[in-house]
Amino acid sequence: NAGVTQTPKFRILKIGQSMTLQCTQDMNHNYMYWYRQDPGMGLKLIYYSVGAGITDKGEVPNGYNVSRSTTEDFPLRLELAAPSQTSVYFCASSYGEGDTEAFFGQGTRLTVV
Amino acid sequence: ELKVEQNPLFLSMQEGKNYTIYCNYSTTSDRLYWYRQDPGKSLESLFVLLSNGAVKQEGRLMASLDTKARLSTLHITAAVHDLSATYFCAVDMIEGYQKVTFGTGTKLQVIP
Repeated sequence: NAGVTQTPKFRILKIGQSMTLQCTQDMNHNYMYWYRQDPGMGLKLIYYSVGAGITDKGEVPNGYNVSRSTTEDFPLRLELAAPSQTSVYFCASSYGEGDTEAFFGQGTRLTVV
Repeated sequence: ELKVEQNPLFLSMQEGKNYTIYCNYSTTSDRLYWYRQDPGKSLESLFVLLSNGAVKQEGRLMASLDTKARLSTLHITAAVHDLSATYFCAVDMIEGYQKVTFGTGTKLQVIP
């Protein structure tokens, strides 16, 4: 079972470059999330989606964009990368109704230099 | 704004000992989650606690929820080295959509 798949696993970007982090899930979950985890810290919610075509900002959305054209895919776009975006990014999904925990991808370690 | 605080942030304990990790949160919620993260790895769900007084156990770990006190505990019994990891609690702020706020984590090191 694939679960939540993120690509790439590692990436180095130069300041001002752009990139898209890919996330796909095969569990038919309605809810999908993007978190970032800075060293020694918990996870902060960047954006989330409750279904195809519906997205909303989380706690730290500045500098990011998302789209949700299908149930399976939830890409995260970084425009004009900045050193402050150096972090580990996790995509997660959940069924979304009531008592369901989230399932996480393996993470993308991004360094902006 | 929902705040979720864990303590301790770091815990070093010997094998065989018992200890408790605490998770306090600042607003009304009745959905709380515990996750485990191994170094350099993703997060793995441990427990889902859905109501006041909920208690769940898996092996040497037991989690409980007191919604009136806005407190959850993760109790470790007779720790073993394999339990070394970072443990996060996360609370669901129910505002129409499920939006989960994570604590800063407790890094547990079990020393043989």
